[in-house]
Amino acid sequence: DTGVSQDPRHKITKRGQNVTFRCDPISEHNRLYWYRQTLGQGPEFLTYFQNEAQLEKSRLLSDRFSAERPKGSFSTLEIQRTEQGDSAMYLCASSSSLTGLTEAFFGQGTRLTVV
Amino acid sequence: DAKTTQPTSMDCAEGRAANLPCNHSTISGNEYVYWYRQIHSQGPQYIIHGLKNNETNEMASLIITEDRKSSTLILPHATLRDTAVYYCIPRAGSYQLTFGKGTKLSVIP
Repeated sequence: DTGVSQDPRHKITKRGQNVTFRCDPISEHNRLYWYRQTLGQGPEFLTYFQNEAQLEKSRLLSDRFSAERPKGSFSTLEIQRTEQGDSAMYLCASSSSLTGLTEAFFGQGTRLTVV
Repeated sequence: DAKTTQPTSMDCAEGRAANLPCNHSTISGNEYVYWYRQIHSQGPQYIIHGLKNNETNEMASLIITEDRKSSTLILPHATLRDTAVYYCIPRAGSYQLTFGKGTKLSVIP
């Protein structure tokens, strides 16, 4: 068990560019979550997958945000046409519904800076 | 999910017990109380959760009042590595965690 891995750890991009972040969950976990955290605030839920199905996406911040988990393993979060307000930490978490372990384990996050 | 109230910040001397309170007076009968912490520049870390009985694990103890309107997370022997923001989160098995602003615990040497 190597934990939840996120890549990259830091990303600086110019306003208007597209960015994509990757999350590799704990291998036996079938649930995957994305959160966003701005300075001084707690993490804010964005979206949730069970296996490859995206079961909740209404909390994605705008239609510029999208997420995929094509084979039920790793996931990507894409932000199109980035804005300065998108600057934040993007966190991924995973958990298992199969073993009854419902606690979510978080990665270290990707810090996005839009300049 | 129930609303929570936590102190904005607390200090604790190294080696002493840290007692972090949380008020969740609107908690419903099927909501567990989860505690997470977030060390600076890291993702949140699960600590413990409980429904109505007190719980203990290798990290902490959780005391839930009989009426379930409040709880206390206890770190029995705080170390400098316990300096973090601690979040109390009622959750009824839903897929999302609703984080508030938490309590910033500073462990003082």
